[in-house]
Amino acid sequence: NAGVTQTPKFQVLKTGQSMTLQCAQDMNHEYMSWYRQDPGMGLRLIHYSVGAGITDQGEVPNGYNVSRSTTEDFPLRLLSAAPSQTSVYFCASSVISGGNNEQFFGPGTRLTVL
Amino acid sequence: AQSVAQPEDQVNVAEGNPLTVKCTYSVSGNPYLFWYVQYPNRGLQFLLKYITGDNLVKGSYGFEAEFNKSQTSFHLKKPSALVSDSALYFCAVRDGNSGYALNFGKGTSLLVTP
Repeated sequence: NAGVTQTPKFQVLKTGQSMTLQCAQDMNHEYMSWYRQDPGMGLRLIHYSVGAGITDQGEVPNGYNVSRSTTEDFPLRLLSAAPSQTSVYFCASSVISGGNNEQFFGPGTRLTVL
Repeated sequence: AQSVAQPEDQVNVAEGNPLTVKCTYSVSGNPYLFWYVQYPNRGLQFLLKYITGDNLVKGSYGFEAEFNKSQTSFHLKKPSALVSDSALYFCAVRDGNSGYALNFGKGTSLLVTP
């Protein structure tokens, strides 16, 4: 199993540009989520999904969109990038059955918005 | 809201000495607590979790954590630190309002010196 994969690893954008961060998992996990990591702030939840076709907002959803058309993929879209979105983005997934399962994290995407 | 706090930004310990990374929690109801480790430029890796049962939880790489309900703490411990344990450690609690997402502490940087 490849686990959770994320592309790209690094990205530099100009203010106002749009892009999609890709996330895929091959573990047939129902639950997937996106976090951003900023220095001294831990990880904050952006959006999450409990299955294909179902998404919801987390703590910091503004400026981001998600969709979940398949179990495997959960892309994160930045519609109009802003410098405040400079961060490291992590995708995570887990099974839902049992309710308190550990999440598996991807390697992250380091995004810089100029 | 469910939350955790990590009171120390950095912990320094000599190799071979015991280490403790502190975490306190604030939850309504039963706490579901996790520890993750992040090595430089990597995603988060699961170490251990407390759901119910024994207050001493054993996890990966020789780590363990002690759940203390009266002190609302969930400290991470290891009897003998290794230089390779140097990393960023995150305590997390399940957020009941966002599916199965986790609320993370700000992280504690552990430095183990030879």
